[in-house]
Amino acid sequence: DTAVSQTPKYLVTQMGNDKSIKCEQNLGHDTMYWYKQDSKKFLKIMFSYNNKELIINETVPNRFSPKSPDKAHLNLHINSLELGDSAVYFCASSFGTGANGYTFGSGTRLTVV
Amino acid sequence: AQSVSQHNHHVILSEAASLELGCNYSYGGTVNLFWYVQYPGQHLQLLLKYFSGDPLVKGIKGFEAEFIKSKFSFNLRKPSVQWSDTAEYFCAVNQNNAGNMLTFGGGTRLMVKP
Repeated sequence: DTAVSQTPKYLVTQMGNDKSIKCEQNLGHDTMYWYKQDSKKFLKIMFSYNNKELIINETVPNRFSPKSPDKAHLNLHINSLELGDSAVYFCASSFGTGANGYTFGSGTRLTVV
Repeated sequence: AQSVSQHNHHVILSEAASLELGCNYSYGGTVNLFWYVQYPGQHLQLLLKYFSGDPLVKGIKGFEAEFIKSKFSFNLRKPSVQWSDTAEYFCAVNQNNAGNMLTFGGGTRLMVKP
């Protein structure tokens, strides 16, 4: 049973398209996150949701819009994709403040051509 | 804002060599500290974590880390590396009163030669 699952695993798309990445966790966690890992492996938080409410929204273009229909799901929708959006996107989840650490999904490798 | 620094970007070792990867953070308050490992093509997995108590923590696969508060450091060690330890290693810090944000260092790429 996968704890944090992301789909799709790979996504290749053209500039200007709109795409979504889905994330689901079955750990009963109340907080979910999206991280972006660039080509140099640097991990940067994008969003954090606690019980379906946005609590962290780092400086990301407003083309990125997270959606949390319930506390087990946090989807990421990206409008008007750009070449610079190419990266690996990781979903993660935790209890509360994440003091026990996060559980990460397997990542979605997005390539914009 | 807190920051996390990993000064070794790339480390190459032979099997059986000892490993120490540096991690320093900038926040002066109470923190929780973590090391994650990312094997090639895989997601991040927790190696070990420190909350309080004994500053020497032991994790999986023979890894350990020592929290030195006066140096704001949480270095990762392993006495004898194996080829299978080849991976990217990330140090991360979570402030106790800063919400849910886990801040990662830039990562250290470890290559172990057989």
